[in-house]
Amino acid sequence: GNSVTQMEGPVTLSEEAFLTINCTYTATGYPSLFWYVQYPGEGLQLLLKATKADDKGSNKGFEATYRKETTSFHLEKGSVQVSDSAVYFCALTPTRGFQKLVFGTGTRLLVSP
Amino acid sequence: GAVVSQHPSWVICKSGTSVKIECRSLDFQATTMFWYRQFPKQSLMLMATSNEGSKATYEQGVEKDKFLINHASLTLSTLTVTSAHPEDSSFYICSARGWGAGNNEQFFGPGTRLTVL
Repeated sequence: GNSVTQMEGPVTLSEEAFLTINCTYTATGYPSLFWYVQYPGEGLQLLLKATKADDKGSNKGFEATYRKETTSFHLEKGSVQVSDSAVYFCALTPTRGFQKLVFGTGTRLLVSP
Repeated sequence: GAVVSQHPSWVICKSGTSVKIECRSLDFQATTMFWYRQFPKQSLMLMATSNEGSKATYEQGVEKDKFLINHASLTLSTLTVTSAHPEDSSFYICSARGWGAGNNEQFFGPGTRLTVL
């Protein structure tokens, strides 16, 4: 079946540190991959996406590359800010396009000044 | 981006009562709405998908008579938890997609925390 596994949190970093949140997936066919972010008290927001192998999604300094050979979509940011503190969800849709989303468990990021 | 609201943001009810949660798309027409449930430290689990004017499609294992979903207009969907019990306590999240809102993207509400005593 389709599933997403992401690292447990919380991830605690100091401001300007490098961030990596690991995400691996299991899927049949050619899934699309997503990262969503949930700030306190708000709904999930799409952060970035990639729809085919070797695509790189990027937004707000965050990047993730669709790696089919390792079935991974790790989220990275070179220099985190306090305002990046949130919960990050990795997700997939089993086929291209926005069909049913399958989510990982979420990783909480805490950035201290 | 497009905005989706949920009401109430939290609710506490007694066992055996029914609770209705509203999901509204504020600035676009939601042709499809999704309802998710999230347990602590677990991922969002899709409960059902509803298209405006049609019956909802429930995921395997979700009781349709327990979780009544109505999507009567292009801006409103409701989830009613009937005869709620403590095991129904959870965080319920809706999302919506439709005309005038991104490239088929789902936009999420802030969630409703239900506690059943």
